[in-house]
Amino acid sequence: AQTVTQSQPEMSVQEAETVTLSCTYDTSENNYYLFWYKQPPSRQMILVIRQEAYKQQNATENRFSVNFQKAAKSFSLKISDSQLGDTAMYFCAFMKHKLEVSNDYKLSFGAGTTVTVRA
Amino acid sequence: SQTIHQWPATLVQPVGSPLSLECTVEGTSNPNLYWYRQAAGRGLQLLFYSVGIGQISSEVPQNLSASRPQDRQFILSSKKLLLSDSGFYLCAWSFTNSPLHFGNGTRLTVT
Repeated sequence: AQTVTQSQPEMSVQEAETVTLSCTYDTSENNYYLFWYKQPPSRQMILVIRQEAYKQQNATENRFSVNFQKAAKSFSLKISDSQLGDTAMYFCAFMKHKLEVSNDYKLSFGAGTTVTVRA
Repeated sequence: SQTIHQWPATLVQPVGSPLSLECTVEGTSNPNLYWYRQAAGRGLQLLFYSVGIGQISSEVPQNLSASRPQDRQFILSSKKLLLSDSGFYLCAWSFTNSPLHFGNGTRLTVT
């Protein structure tokens, strides 16, 4: 089974500055997907960014970018030019690429990191 | 485009009462469906998932059950609610090798 670890329960950042959230995972798979989800106070889960393990290039979505280190099994999220609307809980998630049994269809989520953007 | 509907948005139920939360997906066929629960300020706990009609996998033993009576419909039920069933329930769908897309959630308070 895959485990996802987010070691930072809470982080605070000044508006317009940059914050980096860490995520590590444990797997024996070679191909897989990694995701970052954002859950604002409304509690709706929003997909922020997606990374495919077989792609070397780090994914980027506007102010959100990842640093994917496959050998280190690390998948950090960088939020640049932080905005008040970025205040949310952020979850890192893992999914296998090769789906052989029903158990493979599950996503493994980290415990989450609460990010507060200060005005 | 695909959309997911989850209802009700909030629910207050007494202990021992039944529960039925419904989730439907539009604009797709044969999606993978999921029920998650989240305690306040905590992570996501997977309760059930389904990769097809009649195929329900349970993650944790509890007094909840799930059913998939139609391809795009996923129902979470309980015959008798416990106080510990309070939480935020999220339904989600996905295709194979694609991210999960979540509904807006149901805030359940058991009194």
